[in-house]
Amino acid sequence: DQQVKQNSPSLSVQEGRISILNCDYTNSMFDYFLWYKKYPAEGPTFLISISSIKDKNEDGRFTVFLNKSAKHLSLHIVPSQPGDSAVYFCAAPGGSYIPTFGRGTSLIVHP
Amino acid sequence: EADIYQTPRYLVIGTGKKITLECSQTMGHDKMYWYQQDPGMELHLIHYSYGVNSTEKGDLSSESTVSRIRTEHFPLTLESARPSHTSQYLCASAQETQYFGPGTRLLVL
Repeated sequence: DQQVKQNSPSLSVQEGRISILNCDYTNSMFDYFLWYKKYPAEGPTFLISISSIKDKNEDGRFTVFLNKSAKHLSLHIVPSQPGDSAVYFCAAPGGSYIPTFGRGTSLIVHP
Repeated sequence: EADIYQTPRYLVIGTGKKITLECSQTMGHDKMYWYQQDPGMELHLIHYSYGVNSTEKGDLSSESTVSRIRTEHFPLTLESARPSHTSQYLCASAQETQYFGPGTRLLVL
């Protein structure tokens, strides 16, 4: 059973608009979450993280929001750019430093 | 900036061949990992290591083996490649946050 779920396999957004990528988790012991961005034929690149003691973390155009009561986090990209087109993975480091990854959401930003 | 390298980047090989995928990191990270990932699917952990002489199998059953003789080096070996091994193989290292290499795309004919 997946402990980290990304229920939207794909998202299409127009350039300049907001992209919102969602992630749900089931394990209330998770206390740290990460987002990775992956281009085809490349490895994932760390994008942004959030600790469970916060409900928001911002880095430039990227903001991650955490709702612990709903076990939900989201990544907002504003404004979206064509270069943001990639697969985005949500991850939660579990016990023994073995992260659990979602299946990813493929974001396409149209010019 | 993370410094983790994988070679080769692409490999096409025939069934039954033995192959080794190389992974090296220059960050002195204790923890290293190998994942297998297919398009549209999650990353499947196949092996990991907490340090020199430490190796563990991950969630995904695999006919591969790993070794960790040096901190910076974590090679993955397939003794006999099969078409079902066709995939992208991702190496990562971590102190806390994982940093990934560029991946090896393997095609077994």
